[in-house]
Amino acid sequence: NAGVTQTPKFQVLKTGQSMTLQCAQDMNHEYMSWYRQDPGMGLRLIHYSVGAGITDQGEVPNGYNVSRSTTEDFPLRLLSAAPSQTSVYFCASSDRAVYGSYNSPLHFGNGTRLTVT
Amino acid sequence: KNEVEQSPQNLTAQEGEFITINCSYSVGISALHWLQQHPGGGIVSLFMLSSGKKKHGRLIATINIQEKHSSLHITASHPRDSAVYICAVRHEKLTFGTGTRLTIIP
Repeated sequence: NAGVTQTPKFQVLKTGQSMTLQCAQDMNHEYMSWYRQDPGMGLRLIHYSVGAGITDQGEVPNGYNVSRSTTEDFPLRLLSAAPSQTSVYFCASSDRAVYGSYNSPLHFGNGTRLTVT
Repeated sequence: KNEVEQSPQNLTAQEGEFITINCSYSVGISALHWLQQHPGGGIVSLFMLSSGKKKHGRLIATINIQEKHSSLHITASHPRDSAVYICAVRHEKLTFGTGTRLTIIP
């Protein structure tokens, strides 16, 4: 059971380039989410999805797009990279939405360290 | 806005010591998570609790809903416990603390 798989582990982009961070889970989880982790700050939610075909914005969505065409995959797209997007990105999933009336442990990927120059 | 405060920010202790990490929050919540982030960066869920106390091996998590406070205890600490421990609380959404960096010296 692979859990949550994120690729790539490291990435360097130039300002203005675009790229997609991949996230896949094999646990049939309904809920998937993307966070960014910056020094001195807690994890911040970028986008989330409560099921295939459903996505919504989190706390810091600007500059990022997501889609959820399958239960397994939840890619994060950077449309035009900016130095402010230099961060460590984590994908997480759970078998119930952590919003609303559900509570369930989160399963995290190993993270993607992105540098934008 | 729900604020999550962890203390201490950094903690260094000798192997074998009893460790306590604290988490305080400002609004009513339905659940609190404790997470462990290894030096390599991966994040693992340790506990999710909404009342009382949970124990797993040498780790114990407690929560006092009335006082809006939770503690994570590690008994007989070991160098492999060295990590960043993160508290997260669920109100309308998950809000994460900035973490406590724990270093256990052999």
